[in-house]
Amino acid sequence: LAKTTQPISMDSYEGQEVNITCSHNNIATNDYITWYQQFPSQGPRFIIQGYKTKVTNEVASLFIPADRKSSTLSLPRVSLSDTAVYYCLVGAQEDQGGKLIFGQGTELSVKP
Amino acid sequence: EPEVTQTPSHQVTQMGQEVILRCVPISNHLYFYWYRQILGQKVEFLVSFYNNEISEKSEIFDDQFSVERPDGSNFTLKIRSTKLEDSAMYFCASSVVTVNQPQHFGDGTRLSIL
Repeated sequence: LAKTTQPISMDSYEGQEVNITCSHNNIATNDYITWYQQFPSQGPRFIIQGYKTKVTNEVASLFIPADRKSSTLSLPRVSLSDTAVYYCLVGAQEDQGGKLIFGQGTELSVKP
Repeated sequence: EPEVTQTPSHQVTQMGQEVILRCVPISNHLYFYWYRQILGQKVEFLVSFYNNEISEKSEIFDDQFSVERPDGSNFTLKIRSTKLEDSAMYFCASSVVTVNQPQHFGDGTRLSIL
């Protein structure tokens, strides 16, 4: 399983773009990169998943360079409601029996 | 959007008592999971379940834990004799397939052992 490293915490202000970078130097060929978001007292919520280059959905963008050893979750124009913990997960779930391995995540605090 | 629902939202139980946590996964999902999160700590995998069998379980999921899908909609986690250290948020999740598909989580049951 690829180990991931991401900042423990980040601060931002409303309206700013936030980029959270995750390092995964040992990513395997068949690994995908998945980000989850967790609000206090709620379950994790899937945000976005990608394999290479760029993926965009209505919530976020995910940038993956050619070597795939890192990835950046980009949240455009954050609001107070984006305050949450963001988890980067790397792996091919068939190798893990379906289980997700969560790290400590990045605690994003958005200020007014 | 369909969602995973968990009941109760909060369960308070005396140490040594049995507790059953209930989950209704998304209807067309085939894979089911339980995770737990002790206050201030990481989300930890407990068990995965497919085709009425446990697919994988963690070291946490010892003989005191069991899972069951008693009918076509519910998925339950039973803790036979609760301990103080079982106090945590318990999350149920489900997915269509395991391979690189997102898991959908419920909002959890907060279990407090006294």
